[in-house]
Amino acid sequence: AQTVTQSQPEMSVQEAETVTLSCTYDTSESDYYLFWYKQPPSRQMILVIRQEAYKQQNATENRFSVNFQKAAKSFSLKISDSQLGDAAMYFCAYRTMNTGNQFYFGTGTSLTVIP
Amino acid sequence: EAGVAQSPRYKIIEKRQSVAFWCNPISGHATLYWYQQILGQGPKLLIQFQNNGVVDDSQLPKDRFSAERLKGVDSTLKIQPAKLEDSAVYLCASTKSPTGLAYNEQFFGPGTRLTVL
Repeated sequence: AQTVTQSQPEMSVQEAETVTLSCTYDTSESDYYLFWYKQPPSRQMILVIRQEAYKQQNATENRFSVNFQKAAKSFSLKISDSQLGDAAMYFCAYRTMNTGNQFYFGTGTSLTVIP
Repeated sequence: EAGVAQSPRYKIIEKRQSVAFWCNPISGHATLYWYQQILGQGPKLLIQFQNNGVVDDSQLPKDRFSAERLKGVDSTLKIQPAKLEDSAVYLCASTKSPTGLAYNEQFFGPGTRLTVL
């Protein structure tokens, strides 16, 4: 089974600064999807950004961008111009292209934004 | 469009009691997932349905957990009897895509926080 590792249980960033959350994964597949989800204290998980493994270009969504290194199996999230509303748990997720298309989640990184 | 609905939002029970959670996915979403999220951990898949069929239930403790999605729409997850280690948030999610189209994102419900005393 695929595994997703987030090695930073907690991170903090000053408001308006940039922070990078790391994620690595283990897979033998060549095609898959990667996601970053945000879970605020209210606990409803929402999608931040997604990346198709076959695309070399890194995905961006406004202040959020990823650094996808397929050979290294690394998928980091960069948050620019951090805002107080960015404070949340961030989960990296892998979705297999095999039968079932299961999702595998990392253990999460708790991001604190300091005013 | 309405999001994924779950009820109840909170539940407190004694160990060895039974409990049931309900989930109504987004209309038209073929795939439904139940996750268990223990405090401080990432969601762990318990069971995945496509329409009313089970795609993956390999991590569902079948001696005490059961789930159904009889008409391919809403779903119920049951625990009987509950143990202390079942205390967690139970998340329901859905995706539009049937198996084979992995691009579509998962939409999550607000979760049910279960406390077993």
